[in-house]
Amino acid sequence: DIQMTQSPSTLSASVGDRVTITCRASQSISSWLAWYQQKPGKAPKLLMYKASSLKSGVPSRFSGSGSGTEFTLTISSLQPDDFGTYYCQQYHSYSTFGQGTKVEIK
Amino acid sequence: QVQLQESGPGLVKPSETLSLTCTVSGDSISTYYWNWIRQPPGKGLEWIGYIYYSGSTKYNPSLESRVTISVDMSKNQFSLKLTSVTAADTAVYYCARGPSARIDYWGQGTLVTVSS
Repeated sequence: DIQMTQSPSTLSASVGDRVTITCRASQSISSWLAWYQQKPGKAPKLLMYKASSLKSGVPSRFSGSGSGTEFTLTISSLQPDDFGTYYCQQYHSYSTFGQGTKVEIK
Repeated sequence: QVQLQESGPGLVKPSETLSLTCTVSGDSISTYYWNWIRQPPGKGLEWIGYIYYSGSTKYNPSLESRVTISVDMSKNQFSLKLTSVTAADTAVYYCARGPSARIDYWGQGTLVTVSS
């Protein structure tokens, strides 16, 4: 099984800050990685796929990078609506989610 | 715009079978992959498995012995059965669509509690 490890588990940042979330895979997943944002009581929403492709309609302040085993999701300028929990997901072999990163606005 | 709606019992007794159905509107089920994902209260997401309209399936190895996903093209629905449930299977269950196990559309989710 491929394990996905996200860091940090929680982060608190101010509006306008640059925020980076890291996701590491236990083995190479090429670029088969997606990022989701989930708000309390709601289903997750897709932000990025294939590591660095932005889903249509998602603000351009979100970006993704990486390949192999190390990936990052960056929010270039944190906005109030960006609070929530972010999950990475590998879909190279079956599928596994990271444990989530909770983003709080200071 | 594709919409997915989960339906089924909200309470299941231990050792029994959890059964959920997802009704798809705004899209034909004869495209894409149709997934089930769950989320225990306060915890992270777990992929359960998917089915392609042809009937081919792929399941999470940790659940494979207890899971069956099936599709009913005449009703534009797909279903989940999870046998021998325990309290650890209590979760919000989501049905979802994707080009693979990567999801582009999610249902709203339905809470299933396992309790006697």
